Amino acid sequence: AQSVAQPEDQVNVAEGNPLTVKCTYSVSGNPYLFWYVQYPNRGLQFLLKYITGDNLVKGSYGFEAEFNKSQTSFHLKKPSALVSDSALYFCAVRASDAGNMLTFGGGTRLMVKP
Amino acid sequence: DSGVTQTPKHLITATGQRVTLRCSPRSGDLSVYWYQQSLDQGLQFLIQYYNGEERAKGNILERFSAQQFPDLHSELNLSSLELGDSALYFCASSVADRAGAYEQYFGPGTRLTVT
Repeated sequence: AQSVAQPEDQVNVAEGNPLTVKCTYSVSGNPYLFWYVQYPNRGLQFLLKYITGDNLVKGSYGFEAEFNKSQTSFHLKKPSALVSDSALYFCAVRASDAGNMLTFGGGTRLMVKP
Repeated sequence: DSGVTQTPKHLITATGQRVTLRCSPRSGDLSVYWYQQSLDQGLQFLIQYYNGEERAKGNILERFSAQQFPDLHSELNLSSLELGDSALYFCASSVADRAGAYEQYFGPGTRLTVT
């Protein structure tokens, strides 16, 4: 079985400050990890993914995520937050040797204040 | 715009009724996935089809069924609807079935309200 935990329901950050949205996972075998963002009344948009290789993955809109195998974490980061980054963020995982079914975390609401 | 389309955007119906949600994947994508998003259950995988065949099943109720047609569009049928079925239903598509870490692209969703 695979699972994802996003320990924070909400993260508040001031515009211009760095942001981190946390994600930990549990999966048998090697993980494929994804971050998605959901704006109000919209579907999920793909941000970035980790498959293998470099532990720091760069994605859309200046976001990046760091894979840490020993801590089974895949935290989402951005050096300088924008008000427009305010949205719901989902981390997802699947095992590399399993089907393409994604298991999502509960989501973290990011609020960036001017 | 992800390239995945879903109709209708909103659906309001009564308990006990049956509805059909429709999804057209991105051009070239062979896999279609259905997800349910609700406040209490979060985002849950329901079912996956690949090139017309069922590939994986998640937490899909027996009252729900889906299919993928030869033109690759998919329909999710929800019957004997209950109040608890009120949710956002997302369709997603990806290029492949299992091999590779292909990201899924999500449609805008269908908001179902059961009264």
